[in-house]
Amino acid sequence: GQQVMQIPQYQHVQEGEDFTTYCNSSTTLSNIQWYKQRPGGHPVFLIQLVKSGEVKKQKRLTFQFGEAKKNSSLHITATQTTDVGTYFCAGRFLGAGSYQLTFGKGTKLSVIP
Amino acid sequence: DVKVTQSSRYLVKRTGEKVFLECVQDMDHENMFWYRQDPGLGLRLIYFSYDVKMKEKGDIPEGYSVSREKKERFSLILESASTNQTSMYLCASSFWPTGLAITDTQYFGPGTRLTVL
Repeated sequence: GQQVMQIPQYQHVQEGEDFTTYCNSSTTLSNIQWYKQRPGGHPVFLIQLVKSGEVKKQKRLTFQFGEAKKNSSLHITATQTTDVGTYFCAGRFLGAGSYQLTFGKGTKLSVIP
Repeated sequence: DVKVTQSSRYLVKRTGEKVFLECVQDMDHENMFWYRQDPGLGLRLIYFSYDVKMKEKGDIPEGYSVSREKKERFSLILESASTNQTSMYLCASSFWPTGLAITDTQYFGPGTRLTVL
């Protein structure tokens, strides 16, 4: 089936350092969503990207959607301990089955104070 | 605020038992989903439903069935639980997007951690 690959699986950063997670698909996505799951919690929606080359910002978080709509990234500037958690991308493929999201495996972020 | 509730936070069952996991949402969403979450494997879709009595298989439906008799309630059934079904089960709901740019956020419940002994 269609897959969304997400890397890295784990990332440990010192507080104040930047962090980036990447998602890639072999086929074109109609849109992509990002979710954050805090330890012991459930995934919570962060943002949706729809347009080719789209860039959206939420405070220290920057989300990008590639020109070909096959890849996306989430960048956190100057991480804080509150950023700890697992970040998931979730892509929607064009065509059949387009009503479901396909989640990446997630990137687990640890922030060392 | 959207609220998605799941019947149990923790559940322990024995191999071969029939297990029911229930999910209720209060936002009149058309779509409801069941995922399982395992370390290193992310979220995998088991089944989803886009309307009452309608269901579609996800990526890993084997060993599971679902029921949606009312719009707000979506049940996941393990007909005969096995140890490899020990996992965290997450329910989610969303409305049906009327356009590509419409954000069909999935709202997740707190999850049920199921252990099959």
